[in-house]
Amino acid sequence: NAGVTQTPKFQVLKTGQSMTLQCAQDMNHEYMSWYRQDPGMGLRLIHYSVGAGITDQGEVPNGYNVSRSTTEDFPLRLLSAAPSQTSVYFCASEGAAPGELFFGEGSRLTVL
Amino acid sequence: DAKTTQPPSMDCAEGRAANLPCNHSTISGNEYVYWYRQIHSQGPQYIIHGLKNNETNEMASLIITEDRKSSTLILPHATLRDTAVYYCIVRVGSNSGYALNFGKGTSLLVTP
Repeated sequence: NAGVTQTPKFQVLKTGQSMTLQCAQDMNHEYMSWYRQDPGMGLRLIHYSVGAGITDQGEVPNGYNVSRSTTEDFPLRLLSAAPSQTSVYFCASEGAAPGELFFGEGSRLTVL
Repeated sequence: DAKTTQPPSMDCAEGRAANLPCNHSTISGNEYVYWYRQIHSQGPQYIIHGLKNNETNEMASLIITEDRKSSTLILPHATLRDTAVYYCIVRVGSNSGYALNFGKGTSLLVTP
C-alpha cells in the first residue's frame, strides 16, 4: 500500500513550457485534490475531483488543468508555465473518513 | 468554512506537553475541528479531529471548549520530531469532498 504517489519530485521548466504532474493513489479513494504551497504560506486548493469523470475548480485554478479518467489517477497539467507557478505542489486523497486527507510527498517546481 | 486564528510560533521543551491553541469563534454547528501538521515541507499529516467532545489518539489530544469557539491540541510529551507547522482547520465533517482551508498555522519548535 503506497498511499499517494507524486512524480516528479523535482522539476525545472522554462517559461512557456508545458508539463504534467502525476498523482496516483492505491486506496480506492473517491476524492482527490491538488494544492500548492508558496514559501511561508499555507496550502491553497487548485482543483479537486469527487470521482472519476468529475472535476471542479478550487481557490487558485488559473493556469492549471486536470482530468480524472480513473479513480487512481489525478494528473495536474500546466499548459504554459509561468514564473508565478514556481511552488511546491501537493496531491491529496480522501476516503470514507471525512476530513482525513492523505497527502503525497510533494512536487517541487521551478519555472525560470 | 469558519476562519481560525493561531499564534504564528511557539516553543516547547522536549519531554514537556505542547499546548497549541486555536480560536474559531464563528464555527457552525456542522463544522468539525481538524488538526494537521507539516514537518519540514513534507506533505501535511492528519493528527486528530473532533466535533464537541474531547478526543484522544496515539498522537495527541484535542480539547474543545463547551461553546466550541476555541480548541487546544495537546502533544503530551513533545519530542524533537514534533517540530513542525501545526494547522487548525474547521470544516464540514459530515461528508467527504470538502476542501481544507489551510492558514499559516503555528510553527512549533521543540528544543532539547
